[in-house]
Amino acid sequence: DAGVTQSPTHLIKTRGQQVTLRCSPKSGHDTVSWYQQALGQGPQFIFQYYEEEERQRGNFPDRFSGHQFPNYSSELNVNALLLGDSALYLCASSSPERISNYGYTFGSGTRLTVV
Amino acid sequence: QKEVEQNSGPLSVPEGAIASLNCTYSDRGSQSFFWYRQYSGKSPELIMFIYSNGDKEDGRFTAQLNKASQYVSLLIRDSQPSDSATYLCAVTNTGNQFYFGTGTSLTVIP
Repeated sequence: DAGVTQSPTHLIKTRGQQVTLRCSPKSGHDTVSWYQQALGQGPQFIFQYYEEEERQRGNFPDRFSGHQFPNYSSELNVNALLLGDSALYLCASSSPERISNYGYTFGSGTRLTVV
Repeated sequence: QKEVEQNSGPLSVPEGAIASLNCTYSDRGSQSFFWYRQYSGKSPELIMFIYSNGDKEDGRFTAQLNKASQYVSLLIRDSQPSDSATYLCAVTNTGNQFYFGTGTSLTVIP
């Protein structure tokens, strides 16, 4: 049973560029959440997708956008990259009836470096 | 702003000792509480969850919750070097957005 799969694992981009990160949730999970984890910090909530809709959004600018596909996979897009966007981006999947009791399953993350 | 506070550490304990990790949260509406372990360069993995006041035990791990004091803790008994990691406390009220602390770095000394 595959867990949460993220790609790519590492990425280096230049300031001002755009990036797309991808996530496939764990089998049986239909909710995908994205988190940003800067070095030495805890994960910060970016947004959550359910039924192809953005259900909730954290305190991130509109440069951060996402999408969920009918097969529950998801993309995170970041436009006009800033140096401060360098972080580990974590995808987490769950199902609505389980999330409050059982939490997320995290993917291994994408390490984004902006130079 | 909903906050989750943890001592960043580092916390060092000898092998076989009890490690005690603490977390406080600001949102009284928080319903569910989680402890994640994160090894360096890896993603967080769930260790324990708790949503009722009191203690919950799972093997060497015990989570303790006191909603009146807005306090949750994790005890690790018989600590092993493999327990050396950063431990993240997370809370949620709706189940949609989790609020994480900055984590406590634990080192278990052989």
